[in-house]
Amino acid sequence: QSALTQPPSASGSPGQSVTISCTGTSSDVGDYPYVSWYQQHPGKAPKLMISEVTKRPSGVPDRFSGSKSGNTASLTVSGLQAEDEADYYCISWKTKLFGGGTKLTVL
Amino acid sequence: EVQLLESGGGLVQPGGSLRLSCAASGFSISRSWMDWVRQAPGKGLEWVASIKQDGTEKYYVGSVKGRFTISRDNAQNSLWLQMNSLRAEDTAIYYCAKEGTGNFDFWGQGTLVTVSS
Repeated sequence: QSALTQPPSASGSPGQSVTISCTGTSSDVGDYPYVSWYQQHPGKAPKLMISEVTKRPSGVPDRFSGSKSGNTASLTVSGLQAEDEADYYCISWKTKLFGGGTKLTVL
Repeated sequence: EVQLLESGGGLVQPGGSLRLSCAASGFSISRSWMDWVRQAPGKGLEWVASIKQDGTEKYYVGSVKGRFTISRDNAQNSLWLQMNSLRAEDTAIYYCAKEGTGNFDFWGQGTLVTVSS
């Protein structure tokens, strides 16, 4: 089993949109409904941002959205704000393997 | 308010043992699978172990099988991770996490385990 593949870094200016990808296989992403995303600020615990590919838990700003195409799930942050700068991780519940994480920088 | 509070971390020599605790409040753990997730310094997240609501099913990542044991006491609303034969590569922050539907919906703040001589 392999971890999901994420780009190590992503960036955008305030107000812009940025998309972070999470690539797996048909069995753990493409044909599987339980992919979730987590935000982690330095020195803090991870926080659930998106569940079941597209669902946003209560309290998560609607600037955060999730989608999937083929074997790749994506997290999009619209209207970037300074506080969105953090590490982001995806996970497939099929394997409970996390992606390597993406460091999002707000320029 | 859901809260998870880990404790028991510290410095231990290679080959040693440590028992981590997770005290839950604001909800009853009896209704949820519970997990441990760890993060080595400067690295990403790694799921470590899961336990079913009634404790009858337990799952582990391959690297800790036979060395770590997850357990729970629903009456005490608590979760534990017994770690034996510790190695340098087990050095990490260990998080207690509550499972939701196909996700970890709540996390504790973590406890640091350092394995070093």
